[in-house]
Amino acid sequence: KQEVTQIPAALSVPEGENLVLNCSFTDSAIYNLQWFRQDPGKGLTSLLLIQSSQREQTSGRLNASLDKSSGRSTLYIAASQPGDSATYLCAVRRSSNTGKLIFGQGTTLQVKP
Amino acid sequence: EAQVTQNPRYLITVTGKKLTVTCSQNMNHEYMSWYRQDPGLGLRQIYYSMNVEVTDKGDVPEGYKVSRKEKRNFPLILESPSPNQTSLYFCASSSPSGGGIGELFFGEGSRLTVL
Repeated sequence: KQEVTQIPAALSVPEGENLVLNCSFTDSAIYNLQWFRQDPGKGLTSLLLIQSSQREQTSGRLNASLDKSSGRSTLYIAASQPGDSATYLCAVRRSSNTGKLIFGQGTTLQVKP
Repeated sequence: EAQVTQNPRYLITVTGKKLTVTCSQNMNHEYMSWYRQDPGLGLRQIYYSMNVEVTDKGDVPEGYKVSRKEKRNFPLILESPSPNQTSLYFCASSSPSGGGIGELFFGEGSRLTVL
């Protein structure tokens, strides 16, 4: 059974720091992996989607990498800002013909001014 | 504006009183799904639909029903709500990508309290 883990559960950094969020999954047979951001009391906003054939995806200051063999994805945030404070979740999908999605529990990030 | 709309956003009800949480998307997405989010348990999938008239169970389907009669709507039905269904519920939709399901778009959430 696929399990998705995000460590640490919480992270606090000073503004301007580059940081890495981790997402681990137990079954390397995934179809894609998606990173989301969730602000308190809000829905999830998609940040990056990585297909299993890809190694990384970039959007602005965000870069997500995928290493299927090691069961790991990282979300790199460059030059962090207070506005980046939120909970970041990753989710994996096993195959193209299933609608099942398994989420990690998230990392809550606080960027201090 | 492309969006997923859920209603109601907040609801307090009593045990056993049937309720429906509606979900509608205006992006012509084929895939739609429901999740619940609970402290310490994260997001768990309740049901999903790959297309009209096609639905399947997620990880926690007990106590819920869904229907997908048209592409844009995917209501979540609680026939006889119980207090353990108190939760924050999210609906999401997605367009195809690379032969499968692509980027997920989420609604704002529906906070349900069952007394």
